[in-house]
Amino acid sequence: QQPVQSPQAVILREGEDAVINCSSSKALYSVHWYRQKHGEAPVFLMILLKGGEQKGHDKISASFNEKKQQSSLYLTASQLSYSGTYFCGTLFSGGYNKLIFGAGTRLAVHP
Amino acid sequence: NAGVTQTPKFQVLKTGQSMTLQCAQDMNHNSMYWYRQDPGMGLRLIYYSASEGTTDKGEVPNGYNVSRLNKREFSLRLESAAPSQTSVYFCASSEASGQVYNEQFFGPGTRLTVL
Repeated sequence: QQPVQSPQAVILREGEDAVINCSSSKALYSVHWYRQKHGEAPVFLMILLKGGEQKGHDKISASFNEKKQQSSLYLTASQLSYSGTYFCGTLFSGGYNKLIFGAGTRLAVHP
Repeated sequence: NAGVTQTPKFQVLKTGQSMTLQCAQDMNHNSMYWYRQDPGMGLRLIYYSASEGTTDKGEVPNGYNVSRLNKREFSLRLESAAPSQTSVYFCASSEASGQVYNEQFFGPGTRLTVL
């Protein structure tokens, strides 16, 4: 049931764009995105709910395709501070925020 | 406002020893969670507590027990540590009521090594 993230790793130069995908074989209720810097705790970025509602970061955008059970995180005009590992967490239904996380996508932004 | 705090930050155990990881939050959240993070595996849910007085198993509960001591505190116990439990453990909390799902706030983590 673990969602599949792609790509596994991305290397960018400052100012470049990237897209990180999160796919599930099971119907999703919502998708959460978190970023974790090396040696630190994960930090919340976005929640996307079935039906189109979103909550989160004002400089990062994301989409949720309910038919494909897929979410994409769009990082535009990347900054050095965007470096880290990005995790999607999927919620299938109810479950008191019982998230199942993907294995992560490592993003490195270089000057 | 400290957010989510965890103790200890680092711990080394021998196989068979027991220990308790402590977690506390000061955000008046109802829900609390314990995750483990292994390289290449992402975060895996061990146990969670939807509200004070309730706990439930996550994806990987074997070898662990939990106690929701009060609304603030949620502890994780390893009764007989095994090398396979070497990992980084994160506690998290969130305000989750009804059908509204909210962000989880994570603690700094406990790095546990079992020899």
